[in-house]
Parts: sequence; structure tokens; C-alpha cells
Amino acid sequence: DQQVKQNSPSLSVQEGRISILNCDYTNSMFDYFLWYKKYPAEGPTFLISISSIKDKNEDGRFTVFLNKSAKHLSLHIVPSQPGDSAVYFCAAGDSSGSARQLTFGSGTQLTVLP
Amino acid sequence: KAGVTQTPRYLIKTRGQQVTLSCSPISGHRSVSWYQQTPGQGLQFLFEYFSETQRNKGNFPGRFSGRQFSNSRSEMNVSTLELGDSALYLCASSLGGTVLEAFFGQGTRLTVV
Repeated sequence: DQQVKQNSPSLSVQEGRISILNCDYTNSMFDYFLWYKKYPAEGPTFLISISSIKDKNEDGRFTVFLNKSAKHLSLHIVPSQPGDSAVYFCAAGDSSGSARQLTFGSGTQLTVLP
Repeated sequence: KAGVTQTPRYLIKTRGQQVTLSCSPISGHRSVSWYQQTPGQGLQFLFEYFSETQRNKGNFPGRFSGRQFSNSRSEMNVSTLELGDSALYLCASSLGGTVLEAFFGQGTRLTVV
């Protein structure tokens, strides 16, 4: 049972345009959400996070939106740059739980075309 | 501040052998988690340690074990290796408490032949 789903395995966007990556979750206990970026043969790099008490968090070119009623979050990258080409993972966790386990989606390969 | 360090970066082992992977977390971080990444499977949670105690374990067989030392460094051990254990093993450290942001090392690429 996949508790965190990224239904688009890949996304191609033109440089300078907006990239929108989507993520859905099913576990109502999740109250903290994170996005990671991963290049081949490297570990994931933390990008941005959002707590369930917010519906938007912004950091530079990256904005994460959370829709709790729909159990959906999205990552917007504006403007997209060729260096943004990587696999993006959505992750979710329960901040009230005693263990710090993150549940990851299967990832979306973003390709930004010059 | 130094990041998460994992050693070795690459490892080739024979089926049936055992292997130990090491992880040094970011200074001050007390929580260390381990994940397995295989093609098409995303990141699968193995276990999490905090103050030398295993707090949570994922759905992996008992051949996978770990420990954490008093300086927060952690090791992961896999015994009786199988071909399917070939994967990228990632370690992540976090402060603990209510902070969930985890920072990953570069991983250890294990190949079982």
C-alpha cells in the first residue's frame, strides 16, 4: 500500500517556464511534508518542507502548496533551469510520532530543456 | 559544517557474505535513519536510531540490522547477502525531536554478485 504517491514518473519543461510536480498521500497522520532532489549516484538533497498548519511555503524559486482536504501537495519551480533536471521525491512524516520515519514517493524525473 | 558521511561509497560482495556500512551524521544530529533505494522502488525505510536506541524498523528481514554508537555514528549490517540486496543504501541524519528534515549522505552502492 503506497501511502505517498507520485503518479507522474517523468516531466519535461522548457527552460524559463514553470515546473509543477505533484504528490498525493493517504495517511491522515502525516502532518509534515518535504521535497528532495536527487542526482544519479548521489544522496537526496533537501529542498523545502511544509507543515500541515500552513498551505504554502516559499523559498526562492521553489514553492510548495499543501491541500489537506485533498491530501495533495505540489512543488512549483519558477523559473525552471537546466540544472533543475533531476529526480524529485516527495516525502511525508508524522511529527507527533516517536520515530523519525519519512515515507517517500517513487519520484518524478524532471527534465528542463534549454 | 560537515555533511553526512557514508563509507564505503562502493562495495562488491559475493552472495552469502555479510557487509557492514558506516554512517557519520552531521555534528549535533542525534537521529540516524537508513534507507534502501532500488530501481523502480523509490526509497524504502530500513530503521531509525536515536540515542543508541532503535525507534522504528521498516519491513525488511532480520538479515538487516543496525546500531548506533554514543557519538551518534551508525552502522548497518546485512548478513547472508542475496542478489536482491544490490541497491544504493542511504543514511540520513536529523536533529530529532519534532524536526523531521533529514539530510542524506551520498550513499553506499552495494553490488552482490
